[in-house]
Amino acid sequence: KNQVEQSPQSLIILEGKNCTLQCNYTVSPFSNLRWYKQDTGRGPVSLTIMTFSENTKSNGRYTATLDADTKQSSLHITASQLSDSASYICVVPEANSGYALNFGKGTSLLVTP
Amino acid sequence: DGGITQSPKYLFRKEGQNVTLSCEQNLNHDAMYWYRQDPGQGLRLIYYSQIVNDFQKGDIAEGYSVSREKKESFPLTVTSAQKNPTAFYLCAALSTVGTGELFFGEGSRLTVL
Repeated sequence: KNQVEQSPQSLIILEGKNCTLQCNYTVSPFSNLRWYKQDTGRGPVSLTIMTFSENTKSNGRYTATLDADTKQSSLHITASQLSDSASYICVVPEANSGYALNFGKGTSLLVTP
Repeated sequence: DGGITQSPKYLFRKEGQNVTLSCEQNLNHDAMYWYRQDPGQGLRLIYYSQIVNDFQKGDIAEGYSVSREKKESFPLTVTSAQKNPTAFYLCAALSTVGTGELFFGEGSRLTVL
């Protein structure tokens, strides 16, 4: 069964520190992997989409990496801000179906002053 | 601006009543989805639609119904048969062009009194 596993489940860091969130997947065949940020009570917002050929992609202070061989992705947040407090969700579509989406359960990040 | 509009944002319902959550998109995306999100859990698929007048059950369709009479609209009805309807509901639309941009609405929070 296609699965997406995220770790850690939750994380608390001090403002200004860096952190890394992990996403492991077993979805095959692979087409792309997406990271979303979801603020409490809001809908998820796209941070990055990574295709098979991309190893690293940045969006401001967010940098995603992808290792398609080990089926692992990470989301690195640099110089964290209080507004980074949110849930971060990893999404991996099923390449053949085009419509089936596999979601991780998310990592809940709390940035404290 | 292009996007997805969900309404209402908050909804209260008495037990035994049906309620309908609205989802409208102006992105011209073919595929639309309804997800349920409970605290500490990932998104769970209720229904999805790949094209007008066609939809498929997701993992937790029991107690829910949908329609797709127009490309722009994908309303979700939470029926009295849904045993535990209190949750946060998210609508999404997926582009089938390229890597397929996936957009979410802002969500609707349903509380059963």
